[in-house]
Amino acid sequence: AQSVAQPEDQVNVAEGNPLTVKCTYSVSGNPYLFWYVQYPNRGLQFLLKYITGDNLVKGSYGFEAEFNKSQTSFHLKKPSALVSDSALYFCAVNPSTGRRALTFGSGTRLQVQP
Amino acid sequence: DAEITQSPRHKITETGRQVTLACHQTWNHNNMFWYRQDLGHGLRLIHYSYGVQDTNKGEVSDGYSVSRSNTEDLPLTLESAASSQTSVYFCASSEDSLNTEAFFGQGTRLTVV
Repeated sequence: AQSVAQPEDQVNVAEGNPLTVKCTYSVSGNPYLFWYVQYPNRGLQFLLKYITGDNLVKGSYGFEAEFNKSQTSFHLKKPSALVSDSALYFCAVNPSTGRRALTFGSGTRLQVQP
Repeated sequence: DAEITQSPRHKITETGRQVTLACHQTWNHNNMFWYRQDLGHGLRLIHYSYGVQDTNKGEVSDGYSVSRSNTEDLPLTLESAASSQTSVYFCASSEDSLNTEAFFGQGTRLTVV
Protein backbone atom coordinates (compact mmCIF):
# COMPACT_ATOMS: atom_id res chain seq x y z
CA ALA A 1 0.00 0.00 0.00
CA GLN A 2 1.19 3.51 -0.73
CA SER A 3 1.87 6.17 1.88
CA VAL A 4 2.95 9.80 2.08
CA ALA A 5 4.83 11.52 4.88
CA GLN A 6 4.98 15.25 5.49
CA PRO A 7 7.38 15.50 8.44
CA GLU A 8 6.66 19.13 9.34
CA ASP A 9 3.30 20.16 10.77
CA GLN A 10 4.19 23.80 10.22
CA VAL A 11 6.78 25.76 8.28
CA ASN A 12 7.48 29.40 9.07
CA VAL A 13 9.27 31.66 6.61
CA ALA A 14 9.73 35.39 6.16
CA GLU A 15 8.24 37.08 3.12
CA GLY A 16 10.75 37.21 0.29
CA ASN A 17 12.72 34.22 1.53
CA PRO A 18 12.74 30.87 -0.23
CA LEU A 19 10.46 28.17 1.12
CA THR A 20 10.52 24.38 1.12
CA VAL A 21 7.75 22.03 2.19
CA LYS A 22 8.93 18.45 2.50
CA CYS A 23 7.28 15.27 1.27
CA THR A 24 8.44 11.67 1.09
CA TYR A 25 6.46 8.78 -0.31
CA SER A 26 6.30 5.01 -0.46
CA VAL A 27 4.66 3.27 -3.40
CA SER A 28 5.09 0.17 -5.51
CA GLY A 29 6.31 0.94 -8.97
CA ASN A 30 6.55 4.39 -10.47
CA PRO A 31 4.74 7.15 -8.62
CA TYR A 32 2.52 9.93 -9.82
CA LEU A 33 2.98 12.77 -7.33
CA PHE A 34 0.82 15.81 -6.64
CA TRP A 35 0.76 18.94 -4.51
CA TYR A 36 -2.45 20.63 -3.44
CA VAL A 37 -3.09 23.80 -1.46
CA GLN A 38 -6.02 24.51 0.85
CA TYR A 39 -7.02 28.00 1.92
CA PRO A 40 -9.29 28.47 4.98
CA ASN A 41 -12.80 27.09 4.52
CA ARG A 42 -12.07 26.05 0.97
CA GLY A 43 -11.55 22.83 -0.92
CA LEU A 44 -8.20 21.64 -2.19
CA GLN A 45 -6.70 23.30 -5.24
CA PHE A 46 -4.26 21.53 -7.52
CA LEU A 47 -0.78 23.10 -7.67
CA LEU A 48 1.41 20.77 -9.71
CA LYS A 49 2.19 17.15 -10.51
CA TYR A 50 5.06 14.89 -11.49
CA ILE A 51 4.31 12.18 -14.01
CA THR A 52 7.58 11.49 -15.81
CA GLY A 53 10.51 13.32 -17.37
CA ASP A 54 12.19 16.38 -15.90
CA ASN A 55 12.65 16.06 -12.14
CA LEU A 56 11.85 19.74 -11.60
CA VAL A 57 8.18 20.45 -12.12
CA LYS A 58 6.73 23.95 -12.32
CA GLY A 59 3.20 24.75 -11.25
CA SER A 60 0.78 27.48 -10.30
CA TYR A 61 1.58 30.69 -8.37
CA GLY A 62 5.35 30.32 -8.87
CA PHE A 63 5.63 27.01 -7.04
CA GLU A 64 7.85 24.18 -8.20
CA ALA A 65 8.68 20.73 -6.89
CA GLU A 66 11.69 18.49 -7.21
CA PHE A 67 11.29 14.75 -7.67
CA ASN A 68 14.11 12.65 -6.25
CA LYS A 69 13.68 8.96 -6.94
CA SER A 70 16.60 7.75 -4.85
CA GLN A 71 15.36 9.64 -1.79
CA THR A 72 11.68 9.00 -2.62
CA SER A 73 10.98 12.68 -2.09
CA PHE A 74 8.93 15.35 -3.78
CA HIS A 75 9.61 18.63 -1.99
CA LEU A 76 7.62 21.75 -2.80
CA LYS A 77 9.62 24.95 -3.29
CA LYS A 78 9.24 28.59 -4.09
CA PRO A 79 12.12 31.05 -4.56
CA SER A 80 10.42 33.99 -2.85
CA ALA A 81 7.52 33.52 -0.43
CA LEU A 82 4.49 35.80 -0.28
CA VAL A 83 2.22 36.40 2.70
CA SER A 84 -0.62 35.19 0.48
CA ASP A 85 1.10 31.78 0.22
CA SER A 86 0.11 31.10 3.82
CA ALA A 87 -2.13 28.02 3.65
CA LEU A 88 -2.25 24.27 4.24
CA TYR A 89 -0.29 22.20 1.73
CA PHE A 90 -0.87 18.53 0.94
CA CYS A 91 1.33 16.09 -0.90
CA ALA A 92 -0.40 13.11 -2.57
CA VAL A 93 0.58 10.01 -4.52
CA ASN A 94 -0.95 7.61 -6.99
CA PRO A 95 0.86 4.44 -8.03
CA SER A 96 1.28 3.86 -11.77
CA THR A 97 -0.94 0.78 -11.50
CA GLY A 98 -3.85 -0.22 -9.34
CA ARG A 99 -6.34 1.91 -7.47
CA ARG A 100 -7.08 5.30 -9.04
CA ALA A 101 -7.43 7.23 -5.78
CA LEU A 102 -4.96 9.65 -4.28
CA THR A 103 -3.28 8.94 -0.96
CA PHE A 104 -2.56 12.14 0.94
CA GLY A 105 -0.02 13.20 3.53
CA SER A 106 -1.13 14.79 6.79
CA GLY A 107 -0.53 18.30 5.52
CA THR A 108 1.89 21.12 6.34
CA ARG A 109 0.77 24.55 7.38
CA LEU A 110 2.86 27.27 5.77
CA GLN A 111 3.01 30.58 7.61
CA VAL A 112 4.69 33.46 5.79
CA GLN A 113 5.46 36.43 8.02
CA PRO A 114 5.53 39.96 6.60
CA ASP B 1 -17.63 26.24 -16.36
CA ALA B 2 -17.57 22.71 -15.06
CA GLU B 3 -17.61 22.35 -11.31
CA ILE B 4 -18.13 20.04 -8.36
CA THR B 5 -20.57 21.09 -5.65
CA GLN B 6 -21.33 19.70 -2.24
CA SER B 7 -24.40 20.22 -0.10
CA PRO B 8 -25.06 21.12 2.58
CA ARG B 9 -21.96 23.15 3.49
CA HIS B 10 -22.68 22.74 7.19
CA LYS B 11 -24.75 20.13 9.00
CA ILE B 12 -25.45 19.39 12.64
CA THR B 13 -27.10 16.08 13.42
CA GLU B 14 -27.77 13.86 16.40
CA THR B 15 -26.12 10.59 17.23
CA GLY B 16 -27.91 7.67 15.60
CA ARG B 17 -29.54 9.61 12.79
CA GLN B 18 -29.03 8.79 9.14
CA VAL B 19 -27.37 11.59 7.19
CA THR B 20 -26.73 11.97 3.48
CA LEU B 21 -24.20 14.37 2.00
CA ALA B 22 -24.62 15.29 -1.65
CA CYS B 23 -21.92 15.62 -4.30
CA HIS B 24 -22.61 16.71 -7.87
CA GLN B 25 -20.06 17.23 -10.64
CA THR B 26 -20.45 18.60 -14.14
CA TRP B 27 -16.99 17.55 -15.39
CA ASN B 28 -18.44 14.29 -16.77
CA HIS B 29 -15.73 12.43 -14.86
CA ASN B 30 -16.05 8.72 -14.30
CA ASN B 31 -14.03 8.71 -11.08
CA MET B 32 -15.51 10.15 -7.90
CA PHE B 33 -14.20 10.04 -4.34
CA TRP B 34 -15.17 10.88 -0.79
CA TYR B 35 -12.54 11.88 1.76
CA ARG B 36 -12.72 13.05 5.33
CA GLN B 37 -10.32 15.62 6.74
CA ASP B 38 -9.28 15.50 10.37
CA LEU B 39 -6.51 17.34 12.16
CA GLY B 40 -3.29 15.35 12.09
CA HIS B 41 -4.62 12.85 9.56
CA GLY B 42 -4.82 14.82 6.36
CA LEU B 43 -7.41 13.45 3.98
CA ARG B 44 -8.47 9.83 4.30
CA LEU B 45 -10.37 7.95 1.62
CA ILE B 46 -13.85 6.76 2.56
CA HIS B 47 -15.33 5.41 -0.68
CA TYR B 48 -14.71 5.79 -4.37
CA SER B 49 -16.37 4.97 -7.67
CA TYR B 50 -14.99 4.38 -11.15
CA GLY B 51 -18.34 4.74 -12.87
CA VAL B 52 -22.08 4.11 -12.74
CA GLN B 53 -23.00 1.18 -10.50
CA ASP B 54 -19.39 0.85 -9.32
CA THR B 55 -18.45 1.54 -5.68
CA ASN B 56 -15.38 0.61 -3.64
CA LYS B 57 -14.33 0.91 -0.01
CA GLY B 58 -11.47 3.10 1.06
CA GLU B 59 -9.41 3.01 4.25
CA VAL B 60 -12.11 4.41 6.56
CA SER B 61 -15.36 3.08 5.10
CA ASP B 62 -16.97 1.66 8.27
CA GLY B 63 -20.28 3.40 8.98
CA TYR B 64 -20.50 4.95 5.50
CA SER B 65 -22.07 3.93 2.21
CA VAL B 66 -22.30 5.35 -1.31
CA SER B 67 -24.30 4.66 -4.42
CA ARG B 68 -23.66 5.68 -8.04
CA SER B 69 -26.77 5.73 -10.17
CA ASN B 70 -25.50 8.31 -12.68
CA THR B 71 -22.22 9.90 -13.72
CA GLU B 72 -22.82 13.24 -11.98
CA ASP B 73 -23.68 12.24 -8.40
CA LEU B 74 -22.09 10.28 -5.57
CA PRO B 75 -24.06 10.77 -2.34
CA LEU B 76 -22.42 9.71 0.91
CA THR B 77 -24.66 8.22 3.60
CA LEU B 78 -23.86 7.84 7.26
CA GLU B 79 -26.13 5.00 8.31
CA SER B 80 -26.19 5.85 12.02
CA ALA B 81 -24.17 8.96 12.80
CA ALA B 82 -21.57 8.75 15.56
CA SER B 83 -19.55 11.48 17.27
CA SER B 84 -16.40 10.00 15.71
CA GLN B 85 -17.81 10.99 12.33
CA THR B 86 -17.66 14.68 13.15
CA SER B 87 -15.36 15.91 10.42
CA VAL B 88 -15.04 17.88 7.21
CA TYR B 89 -16.00 15.83 4.19
CA PHE B 90 -14.67 16.43 0.69
CA CYS B 91 -15.91 15.07 -2.56
CA ALA B 92 -13.62 14.92 -5.60
CA SER B 93 -13.69 13.75 -9.19
CA SER B 94 -11.10 12.96 -11.83
CA GLU B 95 -10.63 11.58 -15.30
CA ASP B 96 -9.91 7.90 -15.77
CA SER B 97 -6.13 8.09 -15.99
CA LEU B 98 -3.95 7.63 -12.90
CA ASN B 99 -1.84 10.64 -13.77
CA THR B 100 -4.58 13.25 -13.82
CA GLU B 101 -5.35 15.55 -10.94
CA ALA B 102 -8.57 15.40 -8.95
CA PHE B 103 -10.94 18.35 -8.57
CA PHE B 104 -12.39 18.97 -5.14
CA GLY B 105 -15.64 20.38 -3.83
CA GLN B 106 -15.79 23.06 -1.14
CA GLY B 107 -16.41 20.57 1.64
CA THR B 108 -19.19 19.79 4.13
CA ARG B 109 -18.59 20.37 7.80
CA LEU B 110 -20.56 17.75 9.73
CA THR B 111 -21.05 17.87 13.48
CA VAL B 112 -22.59 14.92 15.28
CA VAL B 113 -23.90 15.80 18.76
